Amino acid sequence: QSALTQPASVSGSPGQSITISCTGTSSDVGNYNLVSWYQHHPGKVPKLIIHEVTKRPSGISNRFSGSKSGNTASLTISGLRAEDEADYYCCSYVHFTTPKWVFGGGTKVTVL
Amino acid sequence: QVQLVESGGGVVQPGTSLRLSCAGSGFTFRSYAMHWLRQAPGKGPEWVAVISFDGNNDYYADSVKGRFTVSKDNSKNTVFLHMSSLRPDDTATYYCAKATTTVARRGWFDPWGQGTLVTVSP
Repeated sequence: QSALTQPASVSGSPGQSITISCTGTSSDVGNYNLVSWYQHHPGKVPKLIIHEVTKRPSGISNRFSGSKSGNTASLTISGLRAEDEADYYCCSYVHFTTPKWVFGGGTKVTVL
Repeated sequence: QVQLVESGGGVVQPGTSLRLSCAGSGFTFRSYAMHWLRQAPGKGPEWVAVISFDGNNDYYADSVKGRFTVSKDNSKNTVFLHMSSLRPDDTATYYCAKATTTVARRGWFDPWGQGTLVTVSP
């Protein structure tokens, strides 16, 4: 069982917007603005698409955006394209006695 | 560009040991902390370990603490993961990833290496 909860799958038609939620607790997502999101196409390397809740690395399309409210972070993909079909994982930093990073179980995005 | 190349994976029996390596290039290796992560088939990624830029601080996931050790050789631009007392549930693709910090805390993973498969089976 993953520490962060994501929906197993989300689908949408080309051009639509979809949102993936990532629910944690007040100890992880709710306590740090250190949520990151990764896109993983099968057979390829996971790729950072959002860091620090809302920031996009250089080269990442502005169709990807992140947000957070309380203990839930969200990733929105607008103007959905076929190449967006992939697995998406959220991750949060957490620090009790030692630093750790916790992931969600992943969301499969299907472009209809 | 930043490149990370893992090696050392394979099929091993339960209870044995294995050492993974990750060679970095395209960045000032000695200035960054480094992570190991893993992904079991059909599951999400799991963070495994982190080591600080200078190798003086390291932290582990509860699932591997006491069995795995991360080390860093800045003279060879390489980070290692020494795995012992391996169990079937350690079966996964193991990735190294560059931290975005010098210290072994906070930050995120960017980029990841291509991964190396470790299978623990009788």
